[in-house]
Amino acid sequence: DIQMTQSPSSLSASVGDRVTITCRANQSIGIYLNWYQQKPGIAPKVLIYVASTLQSGVPSRFSGSGSGTDFTLTISSLQPEDFATYSCQQTYSTPFTFGPGTKVDIK
Amino acid sequence: QVQLQESGPGLVQPSETLSLTCTVSGGSISSHYWSWIRQPPGKGLEWIGYIYYSGSTNYNPSLKSRVTISVDTSKTQFSLKLISVTTADTAVYYCARGVPSGPYIWFDPWGQGTLVTVSS
Repeated sequence: DIQMTQSPSSLSASVGDRVTITCRANQSIGIYLNWYQQKPGIAPKVLIYVASTLQSGVPSRFSGSGSGTDFTLTISSLQPEDFATYSCQQTYSTPFTFGPGTKVDIK
Repeated sequence: QVQLQESGPGLVQPSETLSLTCTVSGGSISSHYWSWIRQPPGKGLEWIGYIYYSGSTNYNPSLKSRVTISVDTSKTQFSLKLISVTTADTAVYYCARGVPSGPYIWFDPWGQGTLVTVSS
């Protein structure tokens, strides 16, 4: 199985801050990388797919980059509704695996 | 707009079978990959497997001996059966639609999730 790691595991930030979350795979996965946002009691939703493609309806302050083993999710200006947990997922090979998540909370 | 909704018992006895159904509304069940994903309390997401609308399946090897995913296109539903459950199977179970584009796939939308507790 491909192992996914994320850093940091949690972070505290203020509204307006630029936030960067890193996801790393233990082998090259090309651009087979998706990012999801998860809030308590609400269905997870995809933000970015194929490493850098913004899902329709997702605000442009979210962006994704990377290829191979190292990927980044960036929120250019954190908004109150962005406080959530963010997880990456590789779909290069089955079993599809997720990172452990990064919780973004209010400083 | 496609919506997914999980249904099934919230409590299952150890060694019994966990059975969940996902009802798809607002769209067809064809030409997508219909998936189950779970999240144990306080832990990360785990992909269980998917079924293509034609019936072909792909399961996580860690669960393959215990899991069956099936689809009923006439009812626009797909189902999960997990046999011989233990407390380690306690989790929020999500159904999700896998959207293919060439060799790539992502999951959207997801159901809101249902908590299944394995306990006597």
